[in-house]
Amino acid sequence: DAGITQSPRYKITETGRQVTLMCHQTWSHSYMFWYRQDLGHGLRLIYYSAAADITDKGEVPDGYVVSRSKTENFPLTLESATRSQTSVYFCASSVRGLEGETQYFGPGTRLLVL
Amino acid sequence: GQNIDQPTEMTATEGAIVQINCTYQTSGFNGLFWYQQHAGEAPTFLSYNVLDGLEEKGRFSSFLSRSKGYSYLLLKELQMKDSASYLCAVTDSNYQLIWGAGTKLIIKP
Repeated sequence: DAGITQSPRYKITETGRQVTLMCHQTWSHSYMFWYRQDLGHGLRLIYYSAAADITDKGEVPDGYVVSRSKTENFPLTLESATRSQTSVYFCASSVRGLEGETQYFGPGTRLLVL
Repeated sequence: GQNIDQPTEMTATEGAIVQINCTYQTSGFNGLFWYQQHAGEAPTFLSYNVLDGLEEKGRFSSFLSRSKGYSYLLLKELQMKDSASYLCAVTDSNYQLIWGAGTKLIIKP
C-alpha cells in the first residue's frame, strides 16, 4: 500500500525555470492539497482540489498552477521559479475534506531555487 | 485576520510531562487538530477536538476550550522519540485548515 507519494524528493533549479512537483495517492481520496512549509511559518495552503477537474486557490497561490485530470494525481507547477519559492512542499489528501477529517501527508519535496 | 499561536520551542525531560499550548483566533471554528512532525518528515495526525473537554489517547491527551480559543496537548511519560514539532491547526468556517507555526519539543535524558 503506497499511500501518498511525491516526486522528486529533492530538486535544485534556477530562477525562471519551470518546475513540476508530482503527487500520487492510491487511496482514491477525493480531496488533495498542496502546502508549503517555511521556517517560522505554519503550513500554508497553495491549492486544493475537491475532485478530478475541480481545483481552488488556497492562501498563497501566486506563481503556482495545478491540475487534476485524474483522481490519483495532483501535480503542482511553478511556472517561473523564484528564490522565494525555495521551500518544502507537502501534498496531502483526505476522503471528503470535511470537518474532523484527517489529512494524510506525502513525504515532501525539498525545492531549492538558485 | 486569522491567527494561531504556539510556543516556538519547549524542552522537557525524559519520563516527565509536558503541556503544549495553542491559542487561536479564526473566522469560525469547526474543529482543532494536533499533528506531530519529526524533523525532515511529514506531519502525522495525533488528535482532533471539536467539543470542549479532554480527549485522551494513550500517553497523549488534547484539551479544548472554544470560549477561550484555547487548546493544549499533554504528553505524559515522555520518551526520546517524542522529540518532534507539534502542529496545532484549526478548521475555520470555510472548512479550511489554518496552521500554527508549530512547537519544537526537545527531550533531554
